[in-house]
Amino acid sequence: DAGVTQSPTHLIKTRGQQVTLRCSPISGHKSVSWYQQVLGQGPQFIFQYYEKEERGRGNFPDRFSARQFPNYSSELNVNALLLGDSALYLCASSLGYQGDTIYFGEGSWLTVV
Amino acid sequence: QKEVEQNSGPLSVPEGAIASLNCTYSDRGSQSFFWYRQYSGKSPELIMFIYSNGDKEDGRFTAQLNKASQYVSLLIRDSQPSDSATYLCAVKGGGFKTIFGAGTRLFVKA
Repeated sequence: DAGVTQSPTHLIKTRGQQVTLRCSPISGHKSVSWYQQVLGQGPQFIFQYYEKEERGRGNFPDRFSARQFPNYSSELNVNALLLGDSALYLCASSLGYQGDTIYFGEGSWLTVV
Repeated sequence: QKEVEQNSGPLSVPEGAIASLNCTYSDRGSQSFFWYRQYSGKSPELIMFIYSNGDKEDGRFTAQLNKASQYVSLLIRDSQPSDSATYLCAVKGGGFKTIFGAGTRLFVKA
C-alpha cells in the first residue's frame, strides 16, 4: 500500500513568491496535518483537516493556508515567502483526528532565496 | 515552559549498549504518546506508541510511560550504528494536534 505522498520533494523560491505543496494521504485515512520543521527543531503544527474541514490551526501567520479535497488530498499554500519560511514541510495522515497516530510523508524541502 | 521537552544530546553509546531517551510533557490531559525516529535529511518515522502507564515492548525497543510524573522514555537495547538518528517524542491530548519535542540526537559508536 502506498504511504503518504508529497510533491514536490524539493523546490527553490524567491522572497515574495507563493508556493503550493501537495499531499495525498494513506488510502482510507481522512485526516491530513501539515507541519513545518526547521533545522534542529521538532515538527511544528500548522494545520489539521478532517473530512474537508479545518479542525486546528497552529501559531502561523495568515500567509499560510490549506485546504482538503473530496478525495482527502490536501494542499498547503504559503504566500509572500520570507527567508524564514525555508524548512521541511511535512504532511501527515491519520484515520481520524482525535488520538490517532499520524504517519508522515517524505516531506517537501523549501528553500527561499 | 515547552509543551514537550527532550534533552537535545547528543547521546553517545557504544554498540551493544542500552540507549535511554527521555521526554517530559506539560499537559496532564495528554492521552497518547509516540516516539519517532528521524534520520538526517529524512522525514520522521513512527517507532512506537503508548497509551497506558507502564512498559510496552516491541523488539529491541521499550517505551515507558508515567503519567503521574508526566514522563515518557524510550529504551533501545543492543544499540546498533544504524540506530544513530534523532528521536522525537510526541504527545497528543484529546484534541487534534500532535505536539513534538525538539528531539534527541543519538550516536551509536561501532
